[in-house]
Amino acid sequence: DTEVTQTPKHLVMGMTNKKSLKCEQHMGHRAMYWYKQKAKKPPELMFVYSYEKLSINESVPSRFSPECPNSSLLNLHLHALQPEDSALYLCASSRLWSGESNQPQHFGDGTRLSIL
Amino acid sequence: ELKVEQNPLFLSMQEGKNYTIYCNYSTTSDRLYWYRQDPGKSLESLFVLLSNGAVKQEGRLMASLDTKARLSTLHITAAVHDLSATYFCAVLEGGGADGLTFGKGTHLIIQP
Repeated sequence: DTEVTQTPKHLVMGMTNKKSLKCEQHMGHRAMYWYKQKAKKPPELMFVYSYEKLSINESVPSRFSPECPNSSLLNLHLHALQPEDSALYLCASSRLWSGESNQPQHFGDGTRLSIL
Repeated sequence: ELKVEQNPLFLSMQEGKNYTIYCNYSTTSDRLYWYRQDPGKSLESLFVLLSNGAVKQEGRLMASLDTKARLSTLHITAAVHDLSATYFCAVLEGGGADGLTFGKGTHLIIQP
């Protein structure tokens, strides 16, 4: 079991649907991340939230909309996705306090997304 | 742009053998991480290397960091089947909250 919980584990949606991915952690981490991982590829950074504010957006298309409602939750809202967006979406969290920012990012199990 | 290169990308080896995975990176960062990923699973943190000359060991795995050469190694000693997985090195370039840049990963198969 991981300390970062992602739901749902699997999601199949059509290109016109709207859905959301959810991520939750209770480790007191103030940095949270979304990564996208295609099959047999490394994870690629999408977004970084620092103290609940978006600090990094890696030029992700607007059909992906992140949201951080509080320090424990991170959402990724999906709308009008394309088949090439099918991938494993990983959430991660890490500490931010001085002296602890070098600790590893803790990853959730991911949501496996398929776009029909 | 930060680049992280791993080699080999695929490695098939027999139980009991030793081998080393290499990770080169293009930045002056001194923060390097090793992760393991089993098929269909998430990433498990293995090692955090934060300074030049850092060496860490856990069981049959040992990781080291040479910041001057911008090189990290993951050494496997007397491999066992349970170590079969994909291993990623990742570099943290910025300060505070920053995304990891991953190498392409090394797909390791250990055969009995």
